[in-house]
Amino acid sequence: AQTVTQSQPEMSVQEAETVTLSCTYDTSESDYYLFWYKQPPSRQMILVIRQEAYKQQNATENRFSVNFQKAAKSFSLKISDSQLGDAAMYFCAYRRGTASKLTFGTGTRLQVTL
Amino acid sequence: EPEVTQTPSHQVTQMGQEVILRCVPISNHLYFYWYRQILGQKVEFLVSFYNNEISEKSEIFDDQFSVERPDGSNFTLKIRSTKLEDSAMYFCASLQGEDYEQYFGPGTRLTVT
Repeated sequence: AQTVTQSQPEMSVQEAETVTLSCTYDTSESDYYLFWYKQPPSRQMILVIRQEAYKQQNATENRFSVNFQKAAKSFSLKISDSQLGDAAMYFCAYRRGTASKLTFGTGTRLQVTL
Repeated sequence: EPEVTQTPSHQVTQMGQEVILRCVPISNHLYFYWYRQILGQKVEFLVSFYNNEISEKSEIFDDQFSVERPDGSNFTLKIRSTKLEDSAMYFCASLQGEDYEQYFGPGTRLTVT
């Protein structure tokens, strides 16, 4: 079974600084996708970024980028120029293939301070 | 922008009662999912639905749970006899087709007393 591990229950970053959230996963599949979701206090699940396993290039979305290390099964999220609105719970998620379920990690709560 | 909607936003029910949680997926989406999140815990997969049948379900999705797409637009999750441990946030998600992202609804908070 696939597992997703987020070893940092909480992280804190100052406004305008950079923070990296860690995620590791375990799978024997070759075709899979990885995601980072943001969950603010409203508890809505918001997709931040996705990475296809077959792509070597790391995905980026504005201030958000990932460091995808396939051999190490590591998928970290870097948030640059942190803003107060980035404060939320962040979940790493794995999906085998193209339409199957998402398997989530336990989440990292990110605080952004002035 | 199209979005997934869920009703009600909050449902309070007594233990042993039946509840139906409703979701309206994005109109051209083909795959549908239910997830739940017990307060303070991670999001867990319950069931996926495609082509009018369950395509996958988790161990959590036992005989007390059922899903239905009754009219081509709604996607419902029924819990036949609720237990205290069913208290959670329930998220519906839909996906247009393969190689796309799942879009999540805002969730229904279920409180079983």
